[in-house]
Amino acid sequence: GAVVSQHPSWVICKSGTSVKIECRSLDFQATTMFWYRQFPKQSLMLMATSNEGSKATYEQGVEKDKFLINHASLTLSTLTVTSAHPEDSSFYICSARESGRVLTYEQYFGPGTRLTVT
Amino acid sequence: QKEVEQNSGPLSVPEGAIASLNCTYSDRGSQSFFWYRQYSGKSPELIMFIYSNGDKEDGRFTAQLNKASQYVSLLIRDSQPSDSATYLCAVKRSNYQLIWGAGTKLIIKP
Repeated sequence: GAVVSQHPSWVICKSGTSVKIECRSLDFQATTMFWYRQFPKQSLMLMATSNEGSKATYEQGVEKDKFLINHASLTLSTLTVTSAHPEDSSFYICSARESGRVLTYEQYFGPGTRLTVT
Repeated sequence: QKEVEQNSGPLSVPEGAIASLNCTYSDRGSQSFFWYRQYSGKSPELIMFIYSNGDKEDGRFTAQLNKASQYVSLLIRDSQPSDSATYLCAVKRSNYQLIWGAGTKLIIKP
């Protein structure tokens, strides 16, 4: 159980275009999902916290108009990188917290999406 | 000062020996601590979590927490080459967010 999928697993796009990344919880409902970015040889950097049915909370320094997050259902959150540039090339990882499990703080991670902007 | 600090390594340990990974945190009020393992190009996977002072054992892994000294460690007994990875320490912030250390690269030498 507790499987999180991401799609696509990798994507190459041209500078100036937009890319949408999907994060799905396959066998549980997730009120809260998190989006991370990881550059080579660096740790995970939390970009935003996504709550179903409400606006995402972005970390300081993350442009909300560039990284659009939509958490429309209890099993799906999407991250859209708008007007992508080469510096946006990174490994994007989502994680999900199972709804209703108040006493656990475990996050289940998706396999990640490798974005390359040319 | 970073909220969660780890030695970046690499830490090289002979196969079969004990690998010891350390992590310190700055927020004395932190309650929940996690160790994740990340292989290159993959997303993190949870190894252990610990909430209470003392030791918590799970197979070859032991997590140790000392809230007075604000450190948490992970011991890996009988290290295997497959344990070679980057180990990430994470501390829970409010709203279920995790604050991550930079990770320690562990290399198990056959």
